[in-house]
Amino acid sequence: GQQVMQIPQYQHVQEGEDFTTYCNSSTTLSNIQWYKQRPGGHPVFLIQLVKSGEVKKQKRLTFQFGEAKKNSSLHITATQTTDVGTYFCANSGGGADGLTFGKGTHLIIQP
Amino acid sequence: DAGVIQSPRHEVTEMGQEVTLRCKLISGHNSLFWYRQTMMRGLELLIYFNNNVPIDDSGMPEDRFSAKMPNASFSTLKIQPSEPRDSAVYFCASSFARGRGSPLHFGNGTRLTVT
Repeated sequence: GQQVMQIPQYQHVQEGEDFTTYCNSSTTLSNIQWYKQRPGGHPVFLIQLVKSGEVKKQKRLTFQFGEAKKNSSLHITATQTTDVGTYFCANSGGGADGLTFGKGTHLIIQP
Repeated sequence: DAGVIQSPRHEVTEMGQEVTLRCKLISGHNSLFWYRQTMMRGLELLIYFNNNVPIDDSGMPEDRFSAKMPNASFSTLKIQPSEPRDSAVYFCASSFARGRGSPLHFGNGTRLTVT
């Protein structure tokens, strides 16, 4: 897959505040996947976006794929301590191609 | 249904020793991926297989690393000889490859420390 850049690298928030991480590419992406990795754990698949402008929601999480399919975002509303972890975006060329992961955004929540 | 199973969970070895990491895929999955995770480099794809065939090994750091898939459900990643800079968490992941990208299911990882 193509290289993807994630910002910010670290994000400290107070519990209850919102959080957003961004994933950017210089080239058009065929798809974007998002994963969450808890401290000491392994990456866990959250969602895949394929269509231009696509928006998907999972409870307090909102995922968006840009119109040009060059960027994506993950927004968490009213963070909770269970949201702590690293959020990765990843891209593949499709089919059996290996995923290329961004460096991730580490979410730290202060109670 | 059992997830991806990796062994050992932790491995501590001395420089120069051979290390073998093991991975059992989820039943029915046809693609297998080995990743390495470090603070500096993040998650790096080392190699992946589709239907037991290595498709892309361009991420393998050097000839000291080798990976095999002797059957549809099992894979090994071998490092010989190991070096301190190989210290990392090694993840195996599997998927059922179809269409436009498939979700990866990761194992719990093997934390390798080479002294």
